[in-house]
Amino acid sequence: AQKITQTQPGMFVQEKEAVTLDCTYDTSDPSYGLFWYKQPSSGEMIFLIYQGSYDQQNATEGRYSLNFQKARKSANLVISASQLGDSAMYFCAMRGSSGGYNKLIFGAGTRLAVHP
Amino acid sequence: DAGVIQSPRHEVTEMGQEVTLRCKPISGHDYLFWYRQTMMRGLELLIYFNNNVPIDDSGMPEDRFSAKMPNASFSTLKIQPSEPRDSAVYFCASSPGQGSYEQYFGPGTRLTVT
Repeated sequence: AQKITQTQPGMFVQEKEAVTLDCTYDTSDPSYGLFWYKQPSSGEMIFLIYQGSYDQQNATEGRYSLNFQKARKSANLVISASQLGDSAMYFCAMRGSSGGYNKLIFGAGTRLAVHP
Repeated sequence: DAGVIQSPRHEVTEMGQEVTLRCKPISGHDYLFWYRQTMMRGLELLIYFNNNVPIDDSGMPEDRFSAKMPNASFSTLKIQPSEPRDSAVYFCASSPGQGSYEQYFGPGTRLTVT
């Protein structure tokens, strides 16, 4: 069975500093993908970044990068130069080839607070 | 380009009433998903469609829940009869498919059943 684990219920970081949000996963599928979503207090879910299991390079999108360590089954999100607007819940999610190729399962989330 | 549109944004209803949630996916997207978010259970996939056909409804909690997608630009999630434990935020999301896996979420419908 597939599983996503986010062990940090809450994190805080000083503005302009970098922060890493942890995500580990468990799957027996050879082909899978990992996502990060942001949910601000307004409630919408915002897609941030995607990493495929066969991608050779770590994914980057602006200030977001995904530290993908396949052997460790981890897919940590790194936010560089934190901004006050980064304060939100962050969810890690995974899709796999079993049970539906496009199904996503989500972790419990990490609440990030950026302090001025 | 417009994102995923959901209506209503908020719904308050009494136990036993029928509730219909609506979703318009992003034009050209092949996949549509319905999720439910609660504090206790987090984000759960209820059902998803590919080219208007339901593919997996294993997450639908019980027979009181039903979903339809009569065309590529419209889907409904219906709860009949509603119960207080159905109170949650319901999200609709769409995905391009064809090798693109990211899902784009609508703003959600906050449902309160009293």
